[in-house]
Amino acid sequence: EVQLVESGGGLIQPGGSQRLSCAASGFTVSSNYMTWVRQAPGKGLEWVSVIYSGGSIDYADSVKGRFTISRDNSKNTLYLQMNSLRAEDTAVYYCARRFCSSGSCYDAFDIWGQGTMVTVSS
Amino acid sequence: QSALTQPASVYGSPGQSITISCTGTSSDVGGYNYVSWYQQHPGKAPKLMIYDVSNRPSGVSNRFSGSKSGNTASLTISGLQAEDEADYYCSSYTSSSPYVFGTGTKVTVL
Repeated sequence: EVQLVESGGGLIQPGGSQRLSCAASGFTVSSNYMTWVRQAPGKGLEWVSVIYSGGSIDYADSVKGRFTISRDNSKNTLYLQMNSLRAEDTAVYYCARRFCSSGSCYDAFDIWGQGTMVTVSS
Repeated sequence: QSALTQPASVYGSPGQSITISCTGTSSDVGGYNYVSWYQQHPGKAPKLMIYDVSNRPSGVSNRFSGSKSGNTASLTISGLQAEDEADYYCSSYTSSSPYVFGTGTKVTVL
């Protein structure tokens, strides 16, 4: 079964760091675009970061310089290292896989994890 | 990159059709045919409903359809059902970000 399972969320003090993990099964992380999307409580979706199959990376301006996306091919796992955390980073963080079908891939995401909650507060 | 603009809420009765708009700029919605739509029920992860403006992934009901005109994309739900009550988000590839989501629309089935 194709699946993504996030972990690593919790309560973190402002200025602190946390690493989120996204374990994949049923497909190979390194062969796909993988992204992180977050959702603050009661708010909408916000795109955070993407790692392309070739290894290139992009970030939203709101996290650039503070967050780092990476993957471990041996563990088939995606990561999001979050540093210098702020109250406004409080959100459910989802990892998701780029949608591919019949040999073509698209700028959309079809497999999502269940999300992991990150709360930044003193 | 600013969020795409969606109406906060849309209402419809069972069996009716509703349309949700998603307005961007020529740097995102208007510049690319890479608009997607997601359905999200409370406490759940988003589900892909439409990709590339008007295409449905396998398994998505044909009651959902998408279109685009200029800088505005639209999602239409026909034959509205109780299970369609959810939040809906559009998303677009952009020249700068590279992805941006809409502000979200709550669909209520009366």
